[in-house]
Amino acid sequence: GESVGLHLPTLSVQEGDNSIINCAYSNSASDYFIWYKQESGKGPQFIIDIRSNMDKRQGQRVTVLLNKTVKHLSLQIAATQPGDSAVYFCAERRFPKLTFGTGTRLTIIP
Amino acid sequence: DTEVTQTPKHLVMGMTNKKSLKCEQHMGHRAMYWYKQKAKKPPELMFVYSYEKLSINESVPSRFSPECPNSSLLNLHLHALQPEDSALYLCASSQEKSGDTEAFFGQGTRLTVV
Repeated sequence: GESVGLHLPTLSVQEGDNSIINCAYSNSASDYFIWYKQESGKGPQFIIDIRSNMDKRQGQRVTVLLNKTVKHLSLQIAATQPGDSAVYFCAERRFPKLTFGTGTRLTIIP
Repeated sequence: DTEVTQTPKHLVMGMTNKKSLKCEQHMGHRAMYWYKQKAKKPPELMFVYSYEKLSINESVPSRFSPECPNSSLLNLHLHALQPEDSALYLCASSQEKSGDTEAFFGQGTRLTVV
């Protein structure tokens, strides 16, 4: 069965606001945790990853936080734009496997 | 070139048909993957190839038969499928080392079994 899962299936955010997408995991043996974005009709696209021994990693407009104590992962998107509308999956990497969580649909309100 | 190309984009097949899905990448990646994705669900891992050898089979029924003829190509041969096999089939590739997490996905083949 899956060892990663998301708290909320849908999230609506006002354009320009920050978005926070959450994910819970149950397996502590993962090497990395990764966020993917999947737009309609496309394959998943890598956003950002975090090694399992890190707490925080920042990219361009995105930040991933890892709380190993409560086995929780989050993706923060700053200044959300219409192009951010998509389904977001967290995934865990236990090489060579890449296992996806349930997914959250992010909708941007103009 | 950071593309994974899948053909065909759409496929309709009968339960007695034999068809093949194709995947190609020219990024020098030595790990290649097949995933199955049902509507509103996450991708589910089916097979992993490492250096053209099958390294993981996630208990996939034998009516799905993968093949990796060379380091750039990955096929999925389909035979005697069931309507419940209708889904989006995604191919992905990545570097073959644990520190490289970025897997590149193709746009998928939308398969309908009638």
